[in-house]
Parts: sequence; structure tokens; C-alpha cells
Amino acid sequence: EAQVTQNPRYLITVTGKKLTVTCSQNMNHEYMSWYRQDPGLGLRQIYYSMNVEVTDKGDVPEGYKVSRKEKRNFPLILESPSPNQTSLYFCASSPRQGVGTEAFFGQGTRLTVV
Amino acid sequence: AQSVTQLGSHVSVSEGALVLLRCNYSSSVPPYLFWYVQYPNQGLQLLLKYTSAATLVKGINGFEAEFKKSETSFHLTKPSAHMSDAAEYFCAVSDRGSQGNLIFGKGTKLSVKP
Repeated sequence: EAQVTQNPRYLITVTGKKLTVTCSQNMNHEYMSWYRQDPGLGLRQIYYSMNVEVTDKGDVPEGYKVSRKEKRNFPLILESPSPNQTSLYFCASSPRQGVGTEAFFGQGTRLTVV
Repeated sequence: AQSVTQLGSHVSVSEGALVLLRCNYSSSVPPYLFWYVQYPNQGLQLLLKYTSAATLVKGINGFEAEFKKSETSFHLTKPSAHMSDAAEYFCAVSDRGSQGNLIFGKGTKLSVKP
């Protein structure tokens, strides 16, 4: 089944403790991205990657890191999480970056930083 | 800059009534427009997309949207609401200015009353 898989689905952590949220897609998509969803703000893009070893900042990149060493994986790294990073996170992939290209979303990761 | 405005963060309708969710966009070039739906505790799923082939776009689950360039609108409609339509709906735009990245609205939560 074609899908985007995120892990974990739920995570509670403490301020300053490094964490990684994994994202993997099995559709051989070139383009992957991370969003955070907050009430009243919709989805905001954190980082995106057009292909292996190519990443770029989205609208809200502060406090996050990403890497794209393999085409299928695009982990999101929080080196020193803070409470304002408590949010619902989504990974998405598309066949390529391009106008009009549909994005396929993972199930989401609900992160709480205390 | 591209942007999407969804009028009404919450919309409530009775079962069987018309569903109308409003979306207005700003874009200096022909845009591509999307509607996504998010059911509780799930990721986003594509409902439909406009890619300039036809102004009236039909999607899944009986939803459709009409692109009106003169009004810069892409409102989502369904003639008769079902209880299962209760979800959050997001309008999104992409164009060359956003490098193909999706720009999301803030979302509209649809409630369906029995």
C-alpha cells in the first residue's frame, strides 16, 4: 500500500531533550516536506527537500533540522525542544516539486514538550 | 505573496443541508488550488484539485468546487451533508511564486447536526 509513515504518533518529552520524528514513504517520491499544525494557524511548512541531499527552509524552520540521506526517509530533528514546539506535525511527499502536484500526508505526530 | 483565506473557522450544518465552505486566494499568476480534508486523528487527504482544465471540479465523497477567477474564489460545496462529513477542511494554493510548495489556509471545521 502506498503510504507515508511517521513515527511515533504521540510523544511527550521534556524541554531540551533531543528527539527525532521519522518519516518514510514507499512511493519513490522525490519531494518531501514537514508541516506543523496549530489551532487557528492551519499548516505551516517547516522544511522541504526536493531530492536526496537537497533541503531548504520553509516558513517556520527555527528550532528544527532535517536530513535527506535516502530518497525514502526524511527525519525531523529537534535538537533542544521547547514548549512552543508543542504541536501536531505532518510529513508529506509528492512525486516531484512542481506547481499543481498533489501532496500525500502521513498520519501525524502529536508532540508535547513540557 | 500567495495566500489563502478561509472564511469561517467553524461551520455547522444540519444533516441533509447544503455544505458551503469558502476559500479565497491571492496569486499573481494562474494558481493551482486544492481542497484537503482531515478527519479526526488522521492525516490530510486530497478532496479535489483545480489545475486549469475545467472551472468546476468534482472530488471524492460528493464534493465539488468552482474556480472563479473574477472573484479569486474556490469555494467547496456538497448538496447534502452527511454525518460522516464532519471534519476539518483546508484550502491550499500553489503556483510558480511558491515554487510549487503548498500554501494552506487556516482551516474550517465542519460540524454536522443530526
